[in-house]
Amino acid sequence: EIVLTQSPGTLSLSPGERATLSCRASQSVTRYLAWYQQKPGQPPRLLIYEASNRATGIPARFSGSGSGTDFTLTISTLEPEDFAVYYCHQRTNWPFIFGPGTKVDIK
Amino acid sequence: EVQLVESGGGLVQPGRSLRLSCAASGFTFDDYAMHWVRQAPGKGLEWVSAISWNSGSISYADSVKGRFTISRDNAKNSLYLQMNSLRAEDTALYYCAKDMDSNGWHIFDYWGQGTLVTVSS
Repeated sequence: EIVLTQSPGTLSLSPGERATLSCRASQSVTRYLAWYQQKPGQPPRLLIYEASNRATGIPARFSGSGSGTDFTLTISTLEPEDFAVYYCHQRTNWPFIFGPGTKVDIK
Repeated sequence: EVQLVESGGGLVQPGRSLRLSCAASGFTFDDYAMHWVRQAPGKGLEWVSAISWNSGSISYADSVKGRFTISRDNAKNSLYLQMNSLRAEDTALYYCAKDMDSNGWHIFDYWGQGTLVTVSS
């Protein structure tokens, strides 16, 4: 069973800074990895799928990269609305699971 | 505009049953697989169940297999989750989520606001 590890657990940054979030899988998930954003009191929102494809309506400041076991979500310049929890999700090996999340909060 | 509206949550005693519904609009419902994903209070996301566009493929998380049943009515643009033998650990906000594909790629491109299920005596 695949384990997804997200790091750091919490990332404290200021608006305008660059955010780099990591998702590591215990075995290869090829490129079948997605990223979701969740703000308090809201449902998750799909940001990135297949490691690097931005979902509809997602701003260009969000980008995803990686393959195999190591993946990165980058927010090039943090906007106030980007402070949230970010989850990765793999759909290669059953069970298809979410990572534990990285909280990006305001420094 | 895609809309998914869940209903049917509430407080239920352990061992009892509950049926969740999800009303879909703004897209061709029978073109897509659908899912239920849950989130326990203050915790992360857990996929629960999936159903393909024609109900031909259905899957469940091990944690609910044998107790929960997913179904859909394409004529009514609706998704359902019948939950039996409920346990305290089923307490969560249950989200209805649309898949990007008809058969179920497990890429959840739209989500409802969720309906809260609390299992407690």
